Amino acid sequence: DTAVSQTPKYLVTQMGNDKSIKCEQNLGHDTMYWYKQDSKKFLKIMFSYNNKELIINETVPNRFSPKSPDKAHLNLHINSLELGDSAVYFCASSQAAGVRGTDTQYFGPGTRLTVL
Amino acid sequence: AQSVTQLDSQVPVFEEAPVELRCNYSSSVSVYLFWYVQYPNQGLQLLLKYLSGSTLVKGINGFEAEFNKSQTSFHLRKPSVHISDTAEYFCAVSSGSRLTFGEGTQLTVNP
Repeated sequence: DTAVSQTPKYLVTQMGNDKSIKCEQNLGHDTMYWYKQDSKKFLKIMFSYNNKELIINETVPNRFSPKSPDKAHLNLHINSLELGDSAVYFCASSQAAGVRGTDTQYFGPGTRLTVL
Repeated sequence: AQSVTQLDSQVPVFEEAPVELRCNYSSSVSVYLFWYVQYPNQGLQLLLKYLSGSTLVKGINGFEAEFNKSQTSFHLRKPSVHISDTAEYFCAVSSGSRLTFGEGTQLTVNP
C-alpha cells in the first residue's frame, strides 16, 4: 500500500494555465508538507499543514495556494503558471508538528511539472 | 536560523569501496539531524537520524553516521558500497516542524 501518493506523476502545461496537484497519505499522520525541488535538486519547503491548519508558509508567490480538505489530503493549486515553476513537487507527511522536530517525514514519489 | 552544507556535490566511487559523504550544519537550537536518500525518479526516504544519545547512528542498507558536536558535522559512511547505492543523498537539520536540506551529494558507484 502506498503511504504517500501524488497525482499526477507528470504534468506538462502551457504558461498562464492553472493546475492542481493532489496528495494523499494513509499513514494517519497529522502534518503534511509541500516541497519544491529545482533542476539542481535543491529541496525547499513551501507549505506545511497540521490538522488542516497552515503552520508553515514560506516565501512563495501568491499564485501557489495549498488546500487541505482533511488531514489525509493536501492539494497544491497553481495559478497563472510561469516557466520558472517547472520543477518536481514533493508532498510529505509526518506524525506530528510542533516543537519536537524529531519526526521522520515520509515523501511521495513527486510530480514533475513542466511549463512550456 | 539553521543551515546545512554538503561539502561534495558529486562523489564517484568503485563498487565495494568505502565512502564518506560530508555534512556540516549550523543551528542555534537543539539539533536533530537526518540523512535522506533519493533514488532516480523517486521520492526521498529516510536513511537514519540523530536525535540524542549515542553519537554513532546506524541506518538502513549498511549506512551509518557520526554526530560530532564540536565540529558541527554529521558525516555519512558506508564501508563497502554497491551499484544499487547510486543515488542522491541529502543531509537535513530539523527545528520544530521545519526540515532544512543541504544541496545534496550525488553518489555514483561504478563497477
